[in-house]
Amino acid sequence: SQQGEEDPQALSIQEGENATMNCSYKTSINNLQWYRQNSGRGLVHLILIRSNEREKHSGRLRVTLDTSKKSSSLLITASRAADTASYFCATDRRTSGTYKYIFGTGTRLKVLA
Amino acid sequence: DGGITQSPKYLFRKEGQNVTLSCEQNLNHDAMYWYRQDPGQGLRLIYYSQIVNDFQKGDIAEGYSVSREKKESFPLTVTSAQKNPTAFYLCASSANPNNYGYTFGSGTRLTVV
Repeated sequence: SQQGEEDPQALSIQEGENATMNCSYKTSINNLQWYRQNSGRGLVHLILIRSNEREKHSGRLRVTLDTSKKSSSLLITASRAADTASYFCATDRRTSGTYKYIFGTGTRLKVLA
Repeated sequence: DGGITQSPKYLFRKEGQNVTLSCEQNLNHDAMYWYRQDPGQGLRLIYYSQIVNDFQKGDIAEGYSVSREKKESFPLTVTSAQKNPTAFYLCASSANPNNYGYTFGSGTRLTVV
């Protein structure tokens, strides 16, 4: 079953604009992660944000987490054509003492040059 | 360079055949994971292993089998019992997913012919 759901499913913007994508989840989490996937490739880890953090930055990326609303957002500022990819959020689920991550369905971002 | 290697990149399977997908990592990670990704979809967890000689079923384990005889290796067998095996398969590893996230391989695209 999906834990995280990204919104929108697809997003098309001009180079230089900001891109915002959102992730909603259903149950309590310890942390949430964002990943990028270029077409036909593996996923690349972008940022991990813990449940006691509200905001985190990495270069042009800004992630926020609102545990009361069970949602997170990923902002990419000053987007570039190279940012074209799918972006996934992943939330942890603890089962029998082990952690595993459940991925959402992703947001497909296209940045037009 | 440390990393995680999946092979082959493309694999074709005839109806009724078993096939094995290779996943090797030299990152000294304890945990390893197999995910399946269908077109335009998110990732679904097949199997995961927290330590050598131990593994657990994920959300869609039916028709798949794994082994974890060595820390570096976590092969996935897609058996003839898996009725719809055509998909993109991703292997990942992590030292501690709650602190560092996953490192993914580049994937194996399996097609039934």
